[in-house]
Amino acid sequence: QQQVKQSPQSLIVQKGGISIINCAYENTAFDYFPWYQQFPGKGPALLIAIRPDVSEKKEGRFTISFNKSAKQFSLHIMDSQPGDSATYFCAARGSTLGRLYFGRGTQLTVWP
Amino acid sequence: GAVVSQHPSRVICKSGTSVKIECRSLDFQATTMFWYRQFPKQSLMLMATSNEGSKATYEQGVEKDKFLINHASLTLSTLTVTSAHPEDSSFYICSALSTGLGEQYFGPGTRLTVT
Repeated sequence: QQQVKQSPQSLIVQKGGISIINCAYENTAFDYFPWYQQFPGKGPALLIAIRPDVSEKKEGRFTISFNKSAKQFSLHIMDSQPGDSATYFCAARGSTLGRLYFGRGTQLTVWP
Repeated sequence: GAVVSQHPSRVICKSGTSVKIECRSLDFQATTMFWYRQFPKQSLMLMATSNEGSKATYEQGVEKDKFLINHASLTLSTLTVTSAHPEDSSFYICSALSTGLGEQYFGPGTRLTVT
């Protein structure tokens, strides 16, 4: 059973555009929602994260929007650049031992 | 920032041999480390949770006698793939939980190819 559902599977955006990736979860015990960026052949790198008591968090061009009642959260990448082309994973953390539940990933391609 | 290293980054071995992968937290202590497996164009699949000084907890379907995990210190965990077969070829990634920062940091991964 997929604990975190992520969409779309792939996304193509023109340079300068906004990239939006959505995730949904069911388990209300999740207490931390990070986004990871992964380039081919590399490990995931933490991009930005949010806790459920906050509705939005912005760091540079990256923003997380969090809707607790709908159990949804999304990543917005403003002014998308070719260097942003990567696979993005949303995740949710259960309270036990910090285990992360990952979405299936979104392959983002930004055309120059 | 918190850094996690993995060694080796790539390894090719023959079927039937064993391979050890090291995961180190370089600038923080990690009582908990995680081992993941990732197939091409797929998400990370948690294999096991490793706690310093105790036995690892394996996810359902992961053979603990095949994937031996040792977490002997607060900065080092090892994954040994025993009697490797071609179907074990994959990208193995570790992560370390920084209790001080509350974040999970990932290593760069190890590409295992079994011929």
